[in-house]
Amino acid sequence: ETGVTQSPTHLIKTRGQQVTLRCSSQSGHNTVSWYQQALGQGPQFIFQYYREEENGRGNFPPRFSGLQFPNYSSELNVNALELDDSALYLCASSLGVKDTDTQYFGPGTRLTVL
Amino acid sequence: AQSVTQLDSQVPVFEEAPVELRCNYSSSVSVYLFWYVQYPNQGLQLLLKYLSGSTLVKGINGFEAEFNKSQTSFHLRKPSVHISDTAEYFCAVSDSNAGNMLTFGGGTRLMVKP
Repeated sequence: ETGVTQSPTHLIKTRGQQVTLRCSSQSGHNTVSWYQQALGQGPQFIFQYYREEENGRGNFPPRFSGLQFPNYSSELNVNALELDDSALYLCASSLGVKDTDTQYFGPGTRLTVL
Repeated sequence: AQSVTQLDSQVPVFEEAPVELRCNYSSSVSVYLFWYVQYPNQGLQLLLKYLSGSTLVKGINGFEAEFNKSQTSFHLRKPSVHISDTAEYFCAVSDSNAGNMLTFGGGTRLMVKP
């Protein structure tokens, strides 16, 4: 069974640019959630996709957007990058969206904005 | 809204000593509780979870946690730590209003010394 994978591992961008991060969910999982983990902090929920539709969103501006594909893989897009967007971006997949559906995390993508 | 407080940002301990990492939460509805571990430059790995039933939950690597509803706590314990347990530990909560979207605490860095 393949776990959650993310690409790329590391990324360096400059302020104002746009970035796309990718996530492949664990086999059999139809739900993907994205989290932002700033240095020295706990992860913060960005949004969740369930069967290709956004199912919930945290306190992040609209320049953070996402997509989920028919194979349940997902993308996180960030426009107009700011220095504070530098963080580890974590993707998690789950069997569904029920409160008992455990999330399993990928290794993350470390984004540095200069 | 729910929140999670991890009272200790760092916990130094000698190898083979016992350890307790504290976690308190607030929520107005029923909650589900999780502990995740993050090794340097890696994603999050699920240690254990409380969904229902026995309030004492056993996880991987010899860790256990006890759910205390009256004190709104979910402290993580290990009777004898190893150098390899050095990592960041995150407590997280989801509740029936938020599906399985997680709210994380700020993390506790466990530093095991020889």
